[in-house]
Amino acid sequence: DADVTQTPRNRITKTGKRIMLECSQTKGHDRMYWYRQDPGLGLRLIYYSFDVKDINKGEISDGYSVSRQAQAKFSLSLESAIPNQTALYFCATSDSGQGVGGYTFGSGTRLTVV
Amino acid sequence: GENVEQHPSTLSVQEGDSAVIKCTYSDSASNYFPWYKQELGKRPQLIIDIRSNVGEKKDQRIAVTLNKTAKHFSLHITETQPEDSAVYFCAANLSGYSTLTFGKGTMLLVSP
Repeated sequence: DADVTQTPRNRITKTGKRIMLECSQTKGHDRMYWYRQDPGLGLRLIYYSFDVKDINKGEISDGYSVSRQAQAKFSLSLESAIPNQTALYFCATSDSGQGVGGYTFGSGTRLTVV
Repeated sequence: GENVEQHPSTLSVQEGDSAVIKCTYSDSASNYFPWYKQELGKRPQLIIDIRSNVGEKKDQRIAVTLNKTAKHFSLHITETQPEDSAVYFCAANLSGYSTLTFGKGTMLLVSP
């Protein structure tokens, strides 16, 4: 089945380390997003990309960077991880064919920075 | 700033009762309003959505209503079942953009 896959599922890293979270999709969607989820705060947008050469900052982009290596792949990097980046990270995709539409989320990456 | 407010943050009902979750949004240019259900340890999944040219949409036991004048929309679940227990998120594409801004979520607990 077409899906959105995130790796790793869980990661513990130390403060100051660089870490990359990866997202790949087989849905054929052109739009991809990275959100973080914190208890009581909902889902907040970090970065998004509407095409391979398109990268846009979201609400909380500081401390993060992204790379859209191909239409199917969108990676999120933490250049120097800090404890308040401990969160559940979700990649999502959508299809521009109908304008704005619902997202398909990946299964999430739980990141702990110690 | 532009945002989506969601209430209540927690909601407990008895099996068979109805549940209503409400959201307000700040920007009249918004035109797409989805609802997501997130079960414990799982990813959010789209359960229903509505566009601004429609006032109400139903899908079996769930329905969404939209009041553009008041800038609020609501999720209605009838005949609740224990498997409806989850966190529900509303969202809107503020300023008509193609990204979604989410509410903070409502934890719904349906007791047998």
